Amino acid sequence: QSALTQPASVSGSPGQSITISCTGTSSDFGRYNLVSWFQHHPGRAPKLIIFENNKRPSGVSHRFSGSRSGNTASLTISGLQPEDEGDFHCCSYIGTPTFYVFGTGTKVTVL
Amino acid sequence: QVQLVESGGGVVQPGGSLRLSCEASGFSFGSYGMHWVRQAPGKGLQWVAYTQYDGINKYYADSVKGRFTISRDNSKNSVYLYMDSLTIEDTGFYYCAKADLDNWGPGTLVTVSS
Repeated sequence: QSALTQPASVSGSPGQSITISCTGTSSDFGRYNLVSWFQHHPGRAPKLIIFENNKRPSGVSHRFSGSRSGNTASLTISGLQPEDEGDFHCCSYIGTPTFYVFGTGTKVTVL
Repeated sequence: QVQLVESGGGVVQPGGSLRLSCEASGFSFGSYGMHWVRQAPGKGLQWVAYTQYDGINKYYADSVKGRFTISRDNSKNSVYLYMDSLTIEDTGFYYCAKADLDNWGPGTLVTVSS
């Protein structure tokens, strides 16, 4: 199972919006349609910020939103803030026995 | 508040073995499946293994099948990953995560080097 493809890096100025893409194949997304996104600061626990394509866990900022079209999922961060810097990973549930395929990861920089 | 804390990482020679532990608190541990996920240096996350809530069904990534064993002790609120025949490619941070990946630990670093 190959990793989902994400851009290595995305940057933006404070207040701007950025979008991170996550591209796979129909077998990566098709059967279950369950994409999650994680924010990860090195040395800390990854944090779930989007599940089931576009749902936010309690306590996650409304500035994070997820969507999916065909074989590409996207994470949009609106009103970019300095604390948004970090690594972002997409993930698709593909069922047993492999469970999950992750993206290659994207480093977000706030200019 | 859900808390997961991994331990047991370290430096090991190729061909060696290591056992990782993950202690859970803040939820009914025995009711949830648990995963191990890893991240090699400069790479993305990779799912490694899963154990069902009762430890009966277990699944592994092809890259670790036959070398890694996941287990759990619900009386100790803990999940383990026993890693054998380690290679350089197994180097990285190892995270335990709850059922739907909704909670993770901060990870433990495994370095395989001669």
